[in-house]
Amino acid sequence: GIQVEQSPPDLILQEGANSTLRCNFSDSVNNLQWFHQNPWGQLINLFYIPSGTKQNGRLSATTVATERYSLLYISSSQTTDSGVYFCAVFSSNDYKLSFGAGTTVTVRA
Amino acid sequence: GAGVSQSPSNKVTEKGKDVELRCDPISGHTALYWYRQSLGQGLEFLIYFQGNSAPDKSGLPSDRFSAERTGGSVSTLTIQRTQQEDSAVYLCASSLALGGPTYEQYFGPGTRLTVT
Repeated sequence: GIQVEQSPPDLILQEGANSTLRCNFSDSVNNLQWFHQNPWGQLINLFYIPSGTKQNGRLSATTVATERYSLLYISSSQTTDSGVYFCAVFSSNDYKLSFGAGTTVTVRA
Repeated sequence: GAGVSQSPSNKVTEKGKDVELRCDPISGHTALYWYRQSLGQGLEFLIYFQGNSAPDKSGLPSDRFSAERTGGSVSTLTIQRTQQEDSAVYLCASSLALGGPTYEQYFGPGTRLTVT
């Protein structure tokens, strides 16, 4: 299956700071999604981004499919941004989302 | 509109008992997926359905696990003779279909299973 690596594993930010999370994957994919897992365990969809750049408020993401990586940018971080961010890739070879281990973000007031 | 729902939200069972977990996908979504999340294993894929059909069951951890989907909607994941290593959060997801932008998966809140 496709291997997904996320970095860094942990990130501590001061409120208002900017940050970049990275996702590397080992093979061609049909889909890439970024999720935020809130403290209650719910996976919240952030981006569906198999290629290109998207923005949603203070969050943006870029996927360079030919180089097999994606970046998630958090700007002007807030305490509510705390949680685990997962990158997941989907291949039509096996019809499953393969998840990275996640980046745990802690934003301090 | 309603998202993916799962029931029960929490289940505590004794080792050796059978359990059934239920998933209601987003209305109109033809593809449905089961995953589980545990501390040691992260998020792992179990099985997917296209309509009522599950073409590949190789992701199920053992033959104690089975899943079915009826009417192209509700799915149940059954674990027979539960073991302590089955303790995890079981997540269900659905997507509009299996193609292009319709791949985007939406997750339910999960069922936390504890086997004592």
